Amino acid sequence: DIVMTQSPDSLAVSLGERATINCKSSQSVLYNSNNKNYLAWYQQKPGQPPKLLIYWASTRQSGVPDRFIGSGSGTDFTLTISSLQAEDVALYYCLQYYGTSPRTFGQGTKVEIK
Amino acid sequence: EVQLVESGGGLVQPGGSLRLSCVGSGFTFSRFEMTWVRQAPGKGLECISFISSGGASKYYADSVKGRFTVSRDNAKNSLYLQLNGLRVEDTAIYYCAREAALGAMDYWGQGILVTVSS
Repeated sequence: DIVMTQSPDSLAVSLGERATINCKSSQSVLYNSNNKNYLAWYQQKPGQPPKLLIYWASTRQSGVPDRFIGSGSGTDFTLTISSLQAEDVALYYCLQYYGTSPRTFGQGTKVEIK
Repeated sequence: EVQLVESGGGLVQPGGSLRLSCVGSGFTFSRFEMTWVRQAPGKGLECISFISSGGASKYYADSVKGRFTVSRDNAKNSLYLQLNGLRVEDTAIYYCAREAALGAMDYWGQGILVTVSS
């Protein structure tokens, strides 16, 4: 199975500042045939199911604010919250959905206000 | 509006069984692959089972293989997960999620709690 490793496990950022979460996969999740990275990012708030933020590593889901930016390719990916808002306090997970391999999540990153 | 509603959770003793259901509405259920994801208390997310749109292809995580069975009834817009041989470590919130054409899970149910305890 593809192992997804996120860093850091938690971070505290001041309101309006940038938050950066990294996600590394144990093997490439880039399909050469379509040049797409099979990597998504989710946000989960307490008592709620995960919410899809980003798919194909960098495409925002409809309705997601443009302060959420996904980047990266191959095995290394980043979710950036360009200007942290109070409502962004949550857990964030990356997910790989590459081919027929079992889908696997990163362990999660907790984002808090400093 | 796309909705997924789980039911069937509860408290069960180790070794017991439960059947979870997930009813979808607001979309053509039969066209979508579906996934079960669970989350143990205070822990991360684990994809435990997947079923193709027609039900022919299924996947199970090693942690549940041989004990859990996924199925669906497209005529009833319903997804099921039969949980047998339950263990304390199966205690979790179980979510059903729709797999979008893009491959990632785009809609999730609110989740249903399964507690395995004596």
